[in-house]
Amino acid sequence: GQQLNQSPQSMFIQEGEDVSMNCTSSSIFNTWLWYKQEPGEGPVLLIALYKAGELTSNGRLTAQFGITRKDSFLNISASIPSDVGIYFCAGQSDGAGSYQLTFGKGTKLSVIP
Amino acid sequence: NAGVMQNPRHLVRRRGQEARLRCSPMKGHSHVYWYRQLPEEGLKFMVYLQKENIIDESGMPKERFSAEFPKEGPSILRIQQVVRGDSAAYFCASSGYNQPQHFGDGTRLSIL
Repeated sequence: GQQLNQSPQSMFIQEGEDVSMNCTSSSIFNTWLWYKQEPGEGPVLLIALYKAGELTSNGRLTAQFGITRKDSFLNISASIPSDVGIYFCAGQSDGAGSYQLTFGKGTKLSVIP
Repeated sequence: NAGVMQNPRHLVRRRGQEARLRCSPMKGHSHVYWYRQLPEEGLKFMVYLQKENIIDESGMPKERFSAEFPKEGPSILRIQQVVRGDSAAYFCASSGYNQPQHFGDGTRLSIL
């Protein structure tokens, strides 16, 4: 089956620093999405990417859909304490009319005030 | 709250009992998905449904698990004769046609 490798697994950063994380796949995806999950809650959609090479921002968050369609990157600028959580990438193939998402294992972000 | 609603939030069952998890999609969404999450892991796809139809159940175990999305009412994920290994968080997501999936806050299932 399809697999997503997400890195780093965890990060400890100082408040105000920038953060970068990425996701790579063994196969091509047509859509990449980034979600954030906090304890006891469900994943919340941050950014959706639909075209290879696309660069999309949402406030301090910027994500890119890799040219090869096999990777994606998420950057967070000027981190703040409320950025703490687990960030998941997810790919969608749209094959055979199904829209299932394949998730990475997440990047756990800790922000030191 | 117009988001995806899941209940119960927590469910405790003894081995051999049945678990029923409910999901009401966001208003206007006709596509429902169920995912399972183990601790320290990402979400794993189980099943994708539209009203009264199962579109893709490739991630759902063949035995003991079933899902439905009736014409009226919420989607139901049913686990019969639960075992310890069924303990997990089960998340439902919904979307419109060709739209991103939005998730509920999940049901944490614990098996004694």
